[in-house]
Amino acid sequence: DIVLTQSPATLSLSPGERATLSCRASQSISGQLVWYQQKPGQAPRLLIYDASKRATGFPARFSGSGSGTDYTLTISSLEPEDFAVYYCQQRFNWPITFGPGTRLEIK
Amino acid sequence: QLQLQQSGPGLVKPSETLSLTCSVSGGSISGTRYYWGWLRQHPEKGLEWIGSIYNSETTYYNPSLKSRVTISVDTSKNQFSLKLTSVTAADTAVYYCARRLIAAGYAYDYWGQGTLVAVSS
Repeated sequence: DIVLTQSPATLSLSPGERATLSCRASQSISGQLVWYQQKPGQAPRLLIYDASKRATGFPARFSGSGSGTDYTLTISSLEPEDFAVYYCQQRFNWPITFGPGTRLEIK
Repeated sequence: QLQLQQSGPGLVKPSETLSLTCSVSGGSISGTRYYWGWLRQHPEKGLEWIGSIYNSETTYYNPSLKSRVTISVDTSKNQFSLKLTSVTAADTAVYYCARRLIAAGYAYDYWGQGTLVAVSS
């Protein structure tokens, strides 16, 4: 199975600051990476697919990048509603696997 | 607007079978543009993929659960189902159904509301 490692586990920032979240795969996943946002008590919500394509409903302050084994989710200027847990997921190989998540919390 | 509505018991006894159904409204479950899947999230933990079904017949299961999982589609009711046999306390989790859209990088773009299933006698 492909193992995804996310860092940091927790990121404490203030509104208006820039957030950089990392996802590293145990082998190359050729850009086949998805990011989800999850808020307490809610189902995950699709944020980014194919490493860099933003899903409907998310503003341009969210962006994804990366290739090979290393991927990044960037939120350029945090809004209060952005504080949540973010998961990466690979679809390069079965079984689909997820990273453990990064909790983005208000500082 | 597509909606996925989950139903099924929130409490299952050890060694019994967990059964959940996901009813799809606002769109058809048939066709080759989507997969339909089940995922779960243990309390305060991350997400685990259980399995998917494609074109109503081709199934893909997580090897860690494969011997106990069955996912099926009922096109006449526009719904799909999960059965997990021989459950233990380790199967206690929030279970989600979701649609996997091929055109969106095979990502899960619509999710059910989640069902907390506790395994306890």
